[in-house]
Amino acid sequence: EVQLVQSGAEVKKPGESLRISCKGSGYSFTSYWISWVRQMPGKGLEWMGRIDPSDSYTNYSPSFQGHVTISADKSISTAYLQWSSLKASDTAMYYCARHAQQLVPTFDYWGQGTLVTVSS
Amino acid sequence: QSALTQPASVSGSPGQSITISCTGTSSDVGSYNLVSWYQQHPGKAPKLMIYEVSKRPSGVSNRFSGSKSGNTASLTISGLQAEDEADYYCCSYAGSSTLGVFGGGTKLTVL
Repeated sequence: EVQLVQSGAEVKKPGESLRISCKGSGYSFTSYWISWVRQMPGKGLEWMGRIDPSDSYTNYSPSFQGHVTISADKSISTAYLQWSSLKASDTAMYYCARHAQQLVPTFDYWGQGTLVTVSS
Repeated sequence: QSALTQPASVSGSPGQSITISCTGTSSDVGSYNLVSWYQQHPGKAPKLMIYEVSKRPSGVSNRFSGSKSGNTASLTISGLQAEDEADYYCCSYAGSSTLGVFGGGTKLTVL
């Protein structure tokens, strides 16, 4: 069974750093891209960026370029989303999602979501 | 890259059919048959319902169908059921750098 299991909820202060994770199982982790999707409270879905776990090549939405970093450790089938300096506006639910095919934003499996709360 | 445009809300009675539109541009929806639709119930992760405009993943009811004309894609749900009440999002390929753009979402209410 394909599963994406994300790390637990986080409460952070502005300016702090954070890395959340997404562990894939039940499939060949290096054969499918992983994307990260943001959902701010009461709002819609926003595509942030993606990674190819086989070579860690990434690309980002212009809206998120430079604000977050996506990485992966294929040895443990885990993708990451990290911030070096959080802002209150980063408060949101973050989902990882598997691409059904490379290049195409068709997301066939999703993680359960990680709620990030940034508050002083 | 701007978000795709969806109606904020639609409603229908059980057994009826509804259609949700998703309007983009010639740079995304209009150029590629790579539109997908997602259902999201409150507090849950999104679920893939339609991909490549009109294909259904295994396990998704055939009451869900998709189509596209020009820059507008559509999701139709026939024989509405109470369990269909959820938020629906479209997503389109938008080029090799931006890759994916979502619609703003539509709240479906089953009356």
